[in-house]
Amino acid sequence: EVQLVESGGGLVQPGRSLRLSCAASGFTFDDYAIHWVRQAPGKGLEWVSGISWNSGNIGYADSVKGRFIISRDNAKNSLYLQMNSLRAEDTALYYCARDTRPGIADSRMDYWGQGVLVTVSS
Amino acid sequence: QSALTQPRSVSGSPGQSVTISCTGTSSDIGGHNYVSWYQQHPGKAPKVMIYDVNKRSSGVPDRFSGSKSGNTASLTISGLQAEDEADYHCCSYAGSYTVVFGGGTKLTVL
Repeated sequence: EVQLVESGGGLVQPGRSLRLSCAASGFTFDDYAIHWVRQAPGKGLEWVSGISWNSGNIGYADSVKGRFIISRDNAKNSLYLQMNSLRAEDTALYYCARDTRPGIADSRMDYWGQGVLVTVSS
Repeated sequence: QSALTQPRSVSGSPGQSVTISCTGTSSDIGGHNYVSWYQQHPGKAPKVMIYDVNKRSSGVPDRFSGSKSGNTASLTISGLQAEDEADYHCCSYAGSYTVVFGGGTKLTVL
């Protein structure tokens, strides 16, 4: 069974940093690209970042470019999101989602975690 | 990267058909055949229903169909059922390894 489990969320002050993790199981992790997608309370989905199977291709939303860093460790079946200089508008439920292909040049995400909540507030 | 434009809400009676539009630009919807649609019930993770503009994911009823014309994609749900009531999000590849979502549409089955 494919599983994606996010962790590392919580309450953090504006300007501080937080690192999210996504532990994958039930599939060959390095066969797939993975994305981070967030959803602010009561709002729609917002794509945050994506990384190809071998970390060769990486993309970021303009809203997080220069502040967030996505990475993966295929040996540990894990995905990460280092979030720096956090702002109130980064408050959201953060999902990791598996792409259906090794690359990230598409938009089909077939498995999603349950999400981890990040709250940025003083 | 601007969000794709969707209507905030649509509604229909059981058995009827509804269409949800999703408007983008030539950089996203118009420039690539990588449009997908996600269904999200309250408190649940999204589920991909349609991908690559008009392909149904495994297990998705054929009542769900997708299409694209120019910079606008559409999701049509025919034979509406109560369990179709949910939020629907369109999504498109936008080039340079980026992806963009729409603002989401709340479907109400009357």
